Amino acid sequence: KQEVTQIPAALSVPEGENLVLNCSFTDSAIYNLQWFRQDPGKGLTSLLLIQSSQREQTSGRLNASLDKSSGRSTLYIAASQPGDSATYLCGYGTSYGKLTFGQGTILTVHP
Amino acid sequence: EPEVTQTPSHQVTQMGQEVILRCVPISNHLYFYWYRQILGQKVEFLVSFYNNEISEKSEIFDDQFSVERPDGSNFTLKIRSTKLEDSAMYFCASSGVVPGTREETQYFGPGTRLLVL
Repeated sequence: KQEVTQIPAALSVPEGENLVLNCSFTDSAIYNLQWFRQDPGKGLTSLLLIQSSQREQTSGRLNASLDKSSGRSTLYIAASQPGDSATYLCGYGTSYGKLTFGQGTILTVHP
Repeated sequence: EPEVTQTPSHQVTQMGQEVILRCVPISNHLYFYWYRQILGQKVEFLVSFYNNEISEKSEIFDDQFSVERPDGSNFTLKIRSTKLEDSAMYFCASSGVVPGTREETQYFGPGTRLLVL
């Protein structure tokens, strides 16, 4: 059974810091990996998708990497802002589209 | 920008009642999904649907659950006889083209919060 673990569970940083969120998975037969943010009581907003053949993807201040051999993905957020405060989820994707999620990292960026 | 919509946003029901949760996926998408999130827990996969049939389902998706695409735009999740433990946020998602392409991002709706009393 696929397990996805996210570390840290919570992170509180001052505005402007660069930070790294970690996601690990047990099955290296990954098809893709998606990073999402979830605001309290809301749905999931897709941030980045990395195909299994890719090593990283970038969108603005966000950069996600994927290392299949070690079963890890990281989400790097540059120059964090209070508006980045949310729960960040990683989803391990299979070829049929099923996403298995981690518990999430709760990020608080304070001014 | 196209988005997935879900109705209702909140539903309260009595145990044993049937509920139907509705979703309108993004219009040119081909793959549809239901997930749920019990308060304080992980988002869990329920079912995926493609070409008018279920592609994959989880252990949670037992005989009490069913999905349907009754027309060209709606995608529904029915729970036949709700239990207390069905209380959760239910998310619909859709994704674009055939797997193996770059357009596999899943777009999620805002969710329906279901409370079973």
